[in-house]
Amino acid sequence: GNSVTQMEGPVTLSEEAFLTINCTYTATEYPSLFWYVQYPGEGLQLLLKATKADDKGSNKGFEATYRKETTSFHLEKGSVQVSDSAVYFCALRGGKLIFGQGTTLQVKP
Amino acid sequence: EAQVTQNPRYLITVTGKKLTVTCSQNMNHEYMSWYRQDPGLGLRQIYYSMNVEVTDKGDVPEGYKVSRKEKRNFPLILESPSPNQTSLYFCASSLSGDRNYGYTFGSGTRLTVV
Repeated sequence: GNSVTQMEGPVTLSEEAFLTINCTYTATEYPSLFWYVQYPGEGLQLLLKATKADDKGSNKGFEATYRKETTSFHLEKGSVQVSDSAVYFCALRGGKLIFGQGTTLQVKP
Repeated sequence: EAQVTQNPRYLITVTGKKLTVTCSQNMNHEYMSWYRQDPGLGLRQIYYSMNVEVTDKGDVPEGYKVSRKEKRNFPLILESPSPNQTSLYFCASSLSGDRNYGYTFGSGTRLTVV
């Protein structure tokens, strides 16, 4: 079946540090890949997506590239801010949306 | 504003007392789904609906019912809630079942069953 594995958190960074959150997937078909963000007390918001191999999704300074050869979709940001503190979910969609366990990011001033 | 609206946001109830969590979307989306989020277990799909009058079980459907009589509404029904259904629930919608479309999520309903 389909599954998503994310790096375990929490990840703690200082403001302006470089962020990488690793995500790998297993899929029986050709999925689309997503990153969602959940701020405290809120629902999940779509951060970015990629629908085919080598596509790069980007939004709000975050980027992720669909790597079919390594079955990965790692999230990166060059300079994090305190306001980026949240839980980040990697997800894939073949039919339904399947989520990774989530990675908590804490950014300190 | 395009959104998914869930009500209530918070609910405390007693074991066995039937309850309904409402979900409505204003985007004319065909696909709707319910998830529950639990610490250590992540997000798990309860039920989904591909369109009006078409519903199907997700990964954890036991103890829940849904209906889809209108395109915009997808209520979640707990006919006899139990403490193991204490959780954070999210309703979501998508333009269709096509893999290229992401979901739009509601703000969540935190349910406590005592």
